[in-house]
This record gives sequence, structure tokens and C-alpha cells, in this order.
Amino acid sequence: QSALTQPASVSGSPGQSITISCTGTSSDVGGYNYVSWYQHHPGKAPKLMIYDVTNRPSGISNRFSGSKSGNTASLTISGLQAEDEADYYCYSYTSISTSGVFGGGTKLTVL
Amino acid sequence: QVQLQQSGPGLVKPSQTLSLTCAISGDSVSSNSAAWNWIRQSPSRGLEWLGRTYYRSSWYKDYAISLKSRITIYPDTSKNQFSLQLNSVTPEDTAVYYCARKSFGYFFDYWGLGTLVTVSS
Repeated sequence: QSALTQPASVSGSPGQSITISCTGTSSDVGGYNYVSWYQHHPGKAPKLMIYDVTNRPSGISNRFSGSKSGNTASLTISGLQAEDEADYYCYSYTSISTSGVFGGGTKLTVL
Repeated sequence: QVQLQQSGPGLVKPSQTLSLTCAISGDSVSSNSAAWNWIRQSPSRGLEWLGRTYYRSSWYKDYAISLKSRITIYPDTSKNQFSLQLNSVTPEDTAVYYCARKSFGYFFDYWGLGTLVTVSS
């Protein structure tokens, strides 16, 4: 199962908005509303930021939002803050296997 | 609040067995609504789901097809934890290994801190 496609890196200045894309197929991202996003600071546990495409877990800032169009899901972070600098991964249910499928990860740099 | 505390050696020799444990607090390994997963991350393969165990009146286990002949994930209800064993390791198994909970839905809501396991003689 091929990984979902994410840009290797994105960057933005404090206060700006950025969007990270996650492209799959109709067997995963496009076929189901089961995309989730994770924030990972090195040395810390990955943190769930978005689930089921658009839902935020309790305690996650509303600066983080998710969306989907066709086979591409997106994570948007508005009002960028220095603490948002991290790696971000998407994950999707897939009809092809039990394992689901991860994205390759995107490194967000806050300039 | 669920917490997952990982333990196990960070260095394993080639051909030997990698063993890691994930201790659970704030939930039960026998929960009827959770599945307990192992995931690893390496530069060459990115994030890779390895397998899971879960209880639904009986114990179930699922493994990644690529590892099925080498992997075992099992619960320990007396200690409220679950463990990973990966046999016949090679340097390609060098990775950061994470345990994670999947509750209702198709996402991982709690993760351990990760354990860097290096396979080297």
C-alpha cells in the first residue's frame, strides 16, 4: 500500500495561514471520511489534531482545521505560532488493508 | 487521560528478537472499545503500522502482511499492558517504535513517546 502523498515541507510566518495537502486515491482518502492528522514534535508523542476529516479533539485549538476535496485532504493552520513548528502526518482508512495508510509527513517551519 | 508508557531495549543484535512493552494507564487493555497498536517510523519507510490486539469478548490480533511471519503482539491483562515481539531482526528493522490506541473510529487518539530501536552487532 503506497503512502499518501504530502509535501515534504511548508513554511510560513507567524500570523499567516498555511495548508498541508494529503493526496490519496478513491480507495482511501477519496472514498471515506476517515482522514486524521497528527502533529509530531521530535522526542514527544505524536498528537491527534484532526479526525474524520474535519473534527477537532477536545483541547485542540480552532486554528487547526481539516477539509477534503476528491482524493485530497488538507490541514489548514491559521494564525501560525512558533509552537506549531513540527512534523505533520495524515492517515486514512483504506478499503485495501486493515492497516490504513499514512502520509509521508510534512515538516512545517515557522519563519 | 490515557497514558502509554513504553519500555524495552534500544539495541538489538541482528537475527535476535526485538521486544517492547506498552503499559497503559487511564484505560484497560481489555476494553471493548479500544485496539492497541504498534507503529514504527524510519527514514526509509516513514510511518508503518505493524499490528494490533484488541478484545471483543475474545482476543483478536491483526498484523501487517509484510511482517506476519515474524511478529507477535499480545496483551498482559494482569499488568494492563501489551507487548511487541519481532523475530529475526535485521538492520532494516531499525526505527522508532510507537504504541498507540485506536478507539471508536479510524484514528489513533493516544500515542507513546516512542522507543528508538537500533539493530546492530
